[in-house]
Amino acid sequence: EAGVAQSPRYKIIEKRQSVAFWCNPISGHATLYWYQQILGQGPKLLIQFQNNGVVDDSQLPKDRFSAERLKGVDSTLKIQPAKLEDSAVYLCASSHGQGAGQPQHFGDGTRLSIL
Amino acid sequence: AQKITQTQPGMFVQEKEAVTLDCTYDTSDPSYGLFWYKQPSSGEMIFLIYQGSYDQQNATEGRYSLNFQKARKSANLVISASQLGDSAMYFCAMREGRNKAAGNKLTFGGGTRVLVKP
Repeated sequence: EAGVAQSPRYKIIEKRQSVAFWCNPISGHATLYWYQQILGQGPKLLIQFQNNGVVDDSQLPKDRFSAERLKGVDSTLKIQPAKLEDSAVYLCASSHGQGAGQPQHFGDGTRLSIL
Repeated sequence: AQKITQTQPGMFVQEKEAVTLDCTYDTSDPSYGLFWYKQPSSGEMIFLIYQGSYDQQNATEGRYSLNFQKARKSANLVISASQLGDSAMYFCAMREGRNKAAGNKLTFGGGTRVLVKP
């Protein structure tokens, strides 16, 4: 089966600009996650969708970050305006459900650099 | 308090030898799951192995095994017969089960970098 697809692979922008990332989960996976991974750290959950509804966005900086999954399939994550501390890898993951042992499958990530 | 602690920032291991990566966790939830992921330099996170809090036996998956010591709240990953391709970052992660509203959010540790020497 095809894995989680993310684009772009790399993005360089200046601070205060806006940027958007796209994710297409594994076919049939109802749950989609966006993680932020700062260099040298483990990933941190930003937002979780179940179909097109938000399950958890408690760690999403809502003054600048937004995400949507309108049709319950692919998703976009936007940052506007970007700050220097947003430099990180943004990982999208999906899982078949929310069962106990359901692993999350990750995409290759988008590496964002803020100048 | 850190929910997931990986105390080894980096390790060298000789090819064909075994290596143990430490992971301790903190939760008051009786229902939880522990996951290990591998992240090569290319960046993708690869799922390796899962252990549920109620599982009676330690999980195994090929060359990967999990040394689960519930009373000590530790879930160490053992990689046997190391290969050059095992060089990567390894992350331990926990999913807590009681808070249904939180779905199955994973909380990750800081990772351990493993370098396999030929």
